[in-house]
Amino acid sequence: QKEVEQDPGPLSVPEGAIVSLNCTYSNSAFQYFMWYRQYSRKGPELLMYTYSSGNKEDGRFTAQVDKSSKYISLFIRDSQPSDSATYLCAAESGGSYIPTFGRGTSLIVHP
Amino acid sequence: DAGVIQSPRHEVTEMGQEVTLRCKPISGHNSLFWYRQTMMRGLELLIYFNNNVPIDDSGMPEDRFSAKMPNASFSTLKIQPSEPRDSAVYFCASSLGVGRQETQYFGPGTRLLVL
Repeated sequence: QKEVEQDPGPLSVPEGAIVSLNCTYSNSAFQYFMWYRQYSRKGPELLMYTYSSGNKEDGRFTAQVDKSSKYISLFIRDSQPSDSATYLCAAESGGSYIPTFGRGTSLIVHP
Repeated sequence: DAGVIQSPRHEVTEMGQEVTLRCKPISGHNSLFWYRQTMMRGLELLIYFNNNVPIDDSGMPEDRFSAKMPNASFSTLKIQPSEPRDSAVYFCASSLGVGRQETQYFGPGTRLLVL
């Protein structure tokens, strides 16, 4: 079992919908949490970076961490076709500075 | 800046052959990472360097894999001999350092198919 788990999808939504992407993790030592976006045939790019529990907002994107349930979420408001990509969550314990990645969830936003 | 450059972008080879993947990190970045991505296992760190020195190679699957960084602007990942299970997308990433909030910038990847 991977330390960070994601449903691979695909998740298909209409343009303008609110998207919820989720991860669970098993390592209690994880304190730092990240979301990466990966377009087809491209490398991942960092979207959001959060520490411990709570919310962080950046434009249409909100990252949420619940350490008590070991649950990580990414919300996308007013989703656009350009948001169609694979979203990878990642977590890091704070000692290694090296993230552990989930397998990614494929998102399709159709016009 | 051109970003992280990887070559080749695609490689098809036969089992038993040697494969060499190349990476040029972003100028000024001190840390370089090699990852492998497959559908089954996702994105996995193979090895990373800081100031050209290998720091953690615990992700390297076995002795068939080796990586070098002879200078700050070039790194190679070599597989010898290659096997069909090595088929994957290999990414190189670089960052200013190894530390919290040091963003890793990924290259476009090399798609390797071993027949």
